Amino acid sequence: SQTIHQWPATLVQPVGSPLSLECTVEGTSNPNLYWYRQAAGRGLQLLFYSVGIGQISSEVPQNLSASRPQDRQFILSSKKLLLSDSGFYLCAWSEGGSGQVFGSGTQLSVL
Amino acid sequence: ILNVEQSPQSLHVQEGDSTNFTCSFPSSNFYALHWYRWETAKSPEALFVMTLNGDEKKKGRISATLNTKEGYSYLYIKGSQPEDSATYLCPGDSGGGADGLTFGKGTHLIIQP
Repeated sequence: SQTIHQWPATLVQPVGSPLSLECTVEGTSNPNLYWYRQAAGRGLQLLFYSVGIGQISSEVPQNLSASRPQDRQFILSSKKLLLSDSGFYLCAWSEGGSGQVFGSGTQLSVL
Repeated sequence: ILNVEQSPQSLHVQEGDSTNFTCSFPSSNFYALHWYRWETAKSPEALFVMTLNGDEKKKGRISATLNTKEGYSYLYIKGSQPEDSATYLCPGDSGGGADGLTFGKGTHLIIQP
């Protein structure tokens, strides 16, 4: 069966520090992968999606970047965090037109 | 992109009562609507994928209907239990391929014992 792992669960980082959140999927090949963020008081917003290794599409301009170095690995990064980067980050995967399966999320607090 | 609006944003229901809430969307570029249940600090859990006008799906005490002509979907919970407390999301899917779902703010349901 397919599983998705996302870590860390919580993270507290100072402004200006780098960020790396990792997401891996098991039990499937060539999944579509997604990064979402929920900022305080707002709905889930799609940040990036990827249909294959090295293929990244960005939905909104921002201080973050994403990479897909392997088929089932999706990484969210920042060189210098801003206060506005605080939020709850979710990774998800899907196959074709089916619904998305989400990871357990990372609560990021930038202080 | 299929933008959705959910109402109400927050709902308090007595244990044992039935309840329902709404997801609205523009009918012009509809492809599919998903319902998720999201408990704090957990992964959103997929409930239903609604695609056809008139669809009605059921999972235990939870059911959902879809009206694509008028642009809404209802989620019903029969005989609410404390474990039903969660945020319910109905992201829209415009069928643009691999791009993600468009989420609203959700309906935050609290079941009071």
